[in-house]
Amino acid sequence: AQSVTQLGSHVSVSEGALVLLRCNYSSSVPPYLFWYVQYPNQGLQLLLKYTSAATLVKGINGFEAEFKKSETSFHLTKPSAHMSDAAEYFCAVSRGRSSASKIIFGSGTRLSIRP
Amino acid sequence: DAGVIQSPRHEVTEMGQEVTLRCKPISGHDYLFWYRQTMMRGLELLIYFNNNVPIDDSGMPEDRFSAKMPNASFSTLKIQPSEPRDSAVYFCASRLTGGSTDTQYFGPGTRLTVL
Repeated sequence: AQSVTQLGSHVSVSEGALVLLRCNYSSSVPPYLFWYVQYPNQGLQLLLKYTSAATLVKGINGFEAEFKKSETSFHLTKPSAHMSDAAEYFCAVSRGRSSASKIIFGSGTRLSIRP
Repeated sequence: DAGVIQSPRHEVTEMGQEVTLRCKPISGHDYLFWYRQTMMRGLELLIYFNNNVPIDDSGMPEDRFSAKMPNASFSTLKIQPSEPRDSAVYFCASRLTGGSTDTQYFGPGTRLTVL
């Protein structure tokens, strides 16, 4: 079975500082991995996804994530935080494109940006 | 494309009343998902459809919940009778399997309050 664990329900960084949101996954098959962002009172938006191509995945808004199989991790980073990055971030895993695939979401990490 | 459309955006009802949430997926998408989000339980998958057929409803909490997809452009989630513990934000998402668009797109959600 697939699952993801997000370490830290709340992360606070200063504007301009590095953003690091941690995600570890568990999967019995090669996974597809995703990061979604949810702004207040909105639905989830896809930031980036890993689908077994390049291990370093670049997404929107300057975010990127690196798939590390040896560490079963898919941490999200951004070199310099902006006030507009304040939101909730969800890591997710799926089995891939099979007809039985569904995305399993982590519990979310709320990112706050200090001026 | 207008994206996934959900209605109503907000619903306030009294315990015991029937509630119907509606979703219009992105045109051409072959999967449709219903999720529930609460502070306590996070984001939970309730049910999903493939080509209008329910595939997995194991996340539906009780018999009070039912979902239908009569055609490719419309789905409903019904709660009858509603209870205060059903208060949550309900999201609909759709997905097109295959190719570079193998990604879920979320609607803005329906915030349900049961008094």
